[in-house]
Amino acid sequence: KAGVTQTPRYLIKTRGQQVTLSCSPISGHRSVSWYQQTPGQGLQFLFEYFSETQRNKGNFPGRFSGRQFSNSRSEMNVSTLELGDSALYLCASSPAAGLDYEQYFGPGTRLTVT
Amino acid sequence: QKEVEQNSGPLSVPEGAIASLNCTYSDRVSQSFFWYRQYSGKSPELIMSIYSNGDKEDGRFTAQLNKASQYVSLLIRDSQPSDSATYLCAVIGGGQNFVFGPGTRLSVLP
Repeated sequence: KAGVTQTPRYLIKTRGQQVTLSCSPISGHRSVSWYQQTPGQGLQFLFEYFSETQRNKGNFPGRFSGRQFSNSRSEMNVSTLELGDSALYLCASSPAAGLDYEQYFGPGTRLTVT
Repeated sequence: QKEVEQNSGPLSVPEGAIASLNCTYSDRVSQSFFWYRQYSGKSPELIMSIYSNGDKEDGRFTAQLNKASQYVSLLIRDSQPSDSATYLCAVIGGGQNFVFGPGTRLSVLP
């Protein structure tokens, strides 16, 4: 079974631009979560989607948004990029939402904002 | 107080020894606990999950959970140099979100 895929793997953007990252979950998984990982803050939860609905959202500004499609693929968008948005963005999928699910991570998208 | 705390390390152990990684959490209603391993430059990979008090063993790995003390640990027996990585503790708290600890860097010395 193929794992979680993320595109693109690397991205360089300029401050003020916007960016869209894509995530395809493991086949059959309906829940997709997004995380930002930086050396200073570690792994921080952005949001979770399940059946095309945002189920949970972390403490990030409204510049960070996401959506999920009917095939469970998900995208996240960051508008008006700031230098501090440079990070590894990880997507994780799981079979279902709930208290006992396990998450499987994709390889990540390394975003550099200059 | 951070929601999930871990010693940042590095924790250095000789090859063949037992590595003990610890994690404490603040949300008393937390029900699900996970250990992930992350090699440098790679994404986290799930090692194991634990939901009930006590020990859970999987090969060389044993997770231990004590909800009364709000403590979860991971023991790695017969540590190998390939176990050298950052180990992340993750907790699903009352907010139904995954909360990750900062991670502990483990170095297994040949």
